[in-house]
Amino acid sequence: QQQVKQSPQSLIVQKGGISIINCAYENTAFDYFPWYQQFPGKGPALLIAIRPDVSEKKEGRFTISFNKSAKQFSLHIMDSQPGDSATYFCAARGWAGSYQLTFGKGTKLSVIP
Amino acid sequence: EAGVTQFPSHSVIEKGQTVTLRCDPISGHDNLYWYRRVMGKEIKFLLHFVKESKQDESGMPNNRFLAERTGGTYSTLKVQPAELEDSGVYFCASGGLSTDTQYFGPGTRLTVL
Repeated sequence: QQQVKQSPQSLIVQKGGISIINCAYENTAFDYFPWYQQFPGKGPALLIAIRPDVSEKKEGRFTISFNKSAKQFSLHIMDSQPGDSATYFCAARGWAGSYQLTFGKGTKLSVIP
Repeated sequence: EAGVTQFPSHSVIEKGQTVTLRCDPISGHDNLYWYRRVMGKEIKFLLHFVKESKQDESGMPNNRFLAERTGGTYSTLKVQPAELEDSGVYFCASGGLSTDTQYFGPGTRLTVL
């Protein structure tokens, strides 16, 4: 049973456009929601993260929108650039004596010139 | 500051053989995690060390997998005997006690033939 559902699986965006990736979760115990960015041959790197007490967090061109009642959160990449082409993973973590992250399946983003 | 390192980067073995993966966390990080990504699926948690103690090993698939972290520094993950379904990318991540962030290594790609 997948606890974090991510969509779309792949995304092609024109340079300068907005990339939007969506995630939904089921476990209300989750209290921390990071997004990771992974380039080929590298490990996932933390991009931006949010806690459920805020509805939005922005860092540069990257914004997380969080809807606690709907149990959904999304990543928006403004002014997308070819260098943003990577695989993006949403994740969630819940307190229960463990800090394990539960990941979505990933979205492969391609930004074309 | 050096990041999380993993060795080897690739390993190809035959079914029934033994493989040992190594992870060197960021210096000073007490938390160490192992994750695995099977092709086409999400990154899945395997286990979590705090220093040399196993905090959570709920994700370990079966007793063919043995993780150790002697002395609370580097960690090894041994698969014995390896099966075809063990193929995938094994990630190690580390984190400090006072931070939510998990820093991932580049992964070890394991192929079992």
